[in-house]
Order: sequence, then structure tokens, then C-alpha cells
Amino acid sequence: AQTVTQSQPEMSVQEAETVTLSCTYDTSESDYYLFWYKQPPSRQMILVIRQEAYKQQNATENRFSVNFQKAAKSFSLKISDSQLGDAAMYFCAYRSGGLTGGGNKLTFGTGTQLKVEL
Amino acid sequence: DAMVIQNPRYQVTQFGKPVTLSCSQTLNHNVMYWYQQKSSQAPKLLFHYYDKDFNNEADTPDNFQSRRPNTSFCFLDIRSPGLGDAAMYLCATSSELTGPMELFFGSGTQLSVL
Repeated sequence: AQTVTQSQPEMSVQEAETVTLSCTYDTSESDYYLFWYKQPPSRQMILVIRQEAYKQQNATENRFSVNFQKAAKSFSLKISDSQLGDAAMYFCAYRSGGLTGGGNKLTFGTGTQLKVEL
Repeated sequence: DAMVIQNPRYQVTQFGKPVTLSCSQTLNHNVMYWYQQKSSQAPKLLFHYYDKDFNNEADTPDNFQSRRPNTSFCFLDIRSPGLGDAAMYLCATSSELTGPMELFFGSGTQLSVL
């Protein structure tokens, strides 16, 4: 079974600064997807960024980028120019690739609570 | 806008009194999921429907059931809620036919058990 580990329960960043959230995972599969989801106090899960394992290039979405190290099974999220609205719980998640016919489940890490300070 | 809608946003029930949570989607996704999320924890998958096929997680209690009468709707039934079932319940969808591979989540239903 796949596991996802987020070793930072809580992180703080000053507004306009950069912060990196860590995530490692364990899998024997070669085809999979990795995600970062954001969960603000409203509890709505919002997709931040997606990475396909077969792509070597790191995904980027505006101020959000990842450092995907497949051999090391590491998938960190970098948030640049942090804003107050970035304050939330961030979950790293793993999903098997391919169309298995049974639906592919997301396995979540335990989350990192990000605080943004003025 | 296409979306995943959960009703109600907050639900209060009594210990042992059956309760049903609902989820609808306008995304026309063929897979629907129910997750349970307790305070400060990661979401935990209870079960999912792939089209009409029901897939239960091995550790989901028998107290939890689900129905999917059509593509758009999915229900979570808790037959005899206990205090430990108080949690946020998240519905999500995905498309296994066209991708993308992420899950789309509703806003959740916060269940309280008195």
C-alpha cells in the first residue's frame, strides 16, 4: 500500500516571503499522480497543483511550484510571494495512475498547517 | 458552473438516529467518493462508486452505507450514528474516462452527534 508522509505539522511564513512544504511518499508503482490540496477554514478541498510521475518537468501554477524528485520519492511544494489567503491546511496526496476500472483512490498525508504572518 | 454540491452544510443528529447526507454533481463524472475527515486529520476514504459499482474500503464500519441512484447523486447513510461518527464528510468526484486525474470536492457536511 502506498503511504504519504508530511513531516511538518505546522509552518509559518511572512507575507511576501517564500515557504516550502515537504512531502515524501512510498510506492512500488511507476505510474502515478501527486497532488497538493489546500483546505482553508471553510474545509473546501481545493486543488493547488498536480504532477504526473512520467513527467520530469516540475509543475508550476502561478506562485506555486513543486520540486518532484522521483528517485527520492519526494514532492515538495514551494509557495512564492506568500499572501494572507494562502493560510490553510495543505495536504499532499498520491494516486495510482492508469485506468484500473475500479476508480483510483487518493491517499492523503496528515497535512501541514500554514500560517501567514504580516 | 459545474460543481459538486453537498447538502446540508451542517447536520445535527441524535445518538442512534439514522441520518442521510447527500451529494450531487454537475460534472458528469463517473466516479463518486465519500471521505470522512475528523478534526485535524487527513480525509479517510469510506467507499466509492465506479459508475454503478460500489467499492467499500475494508475498514469502513457496517454502520455506513451508500446509494447512488443515478450519475448525478450519491447518498451516505449512517444507520446508527455514534459519538465517534461526528466528523466532516466530504464528497468527491473524478472522471476515469477523460481525466484529469484529480478529485473534485464538495464543501462538505459537518455532522454533529448529540
